[in-house]
Amino acid sequence: EAGVAQSPRYKIIEKRQSVAFWCNPISGHATLYWYQQILGQGPKLLIQFQNNGVVDDSQLPKDRFSAERLKGVDSTLKIQPAKLEDSAVYLCASSLAWGTGELFFGEGSRLTVL
Amino acid sequence: RKEVEQDPGPFNVPEGATVAFNCTYSNSASQSFFWYRQDCRKEPKLLMSVYSSGNEDGRFTAQLNRASQYISLLIRDSKLSDSATYLCVVNSGGYQKVTFGTGTKLQVIP
Repeated sequence: EAGVAQSPRYKIIEKRQSVAFWCNPISGHATLYWYQQILGQGPKLLIQFQNNGVVDDSQLPKDRFSAERLKGVDSTLKIQPAKLEDSAVYLCASSLAWGTGELFFGEGSRLTVL
Repeated sequence: RKEVEQDPGPFNVPEGATVAFNCTYSNSASQSFFWYRQDCRKEPKLLMSVYSSGNEDGRFTAQLNRASQYISLLIRDSKLSDSATYLCVVNSGGYQKVTFGTGTKLQVIP
């Protein structure tokens, strides 16, 4: 079974530039999560989708971050404009059903903002 | 108060030692609990679920104390390969929000 796919694996940009990350969850997984993990910290939930609807985006900095999952399958997370403090690994995860607790993570997209 | 709190460590223990990690959570309505393992520069992976009655998987034992709102992970006979960060995860809220702790780093020393 294919796992969660993410791209790009690495991205280096200058502050005020924009960047987009893509995620394709495991086939059939209804719930998709984007987490931000800063070095030395645990993953912080940015947004959670159930199919193509948002169920939690309370910690998403909406002035600069946006995410969509238009067809309820793959998802894109965008940052515009980027700040130095956005340097982190952006982890996408999916789960089969709402509330199972077993999340399957992609390898992450490592962002460096200079 | 943070939703999920862990001692960040690091815990440096010799091979064969027993080590325990605790994690506290603030939402008394939290419904399910998990331990994840994250190797350096890798993604988190589920280690085990934590049940009310406690559960054991080989050298690993997880316990839940709802009254005191904490969960624990015990690792017996530590191996070098156990070196990793252990993340406490709590599932709560009407929409099943999944919250991670900051992680506890374990280093098993030869």
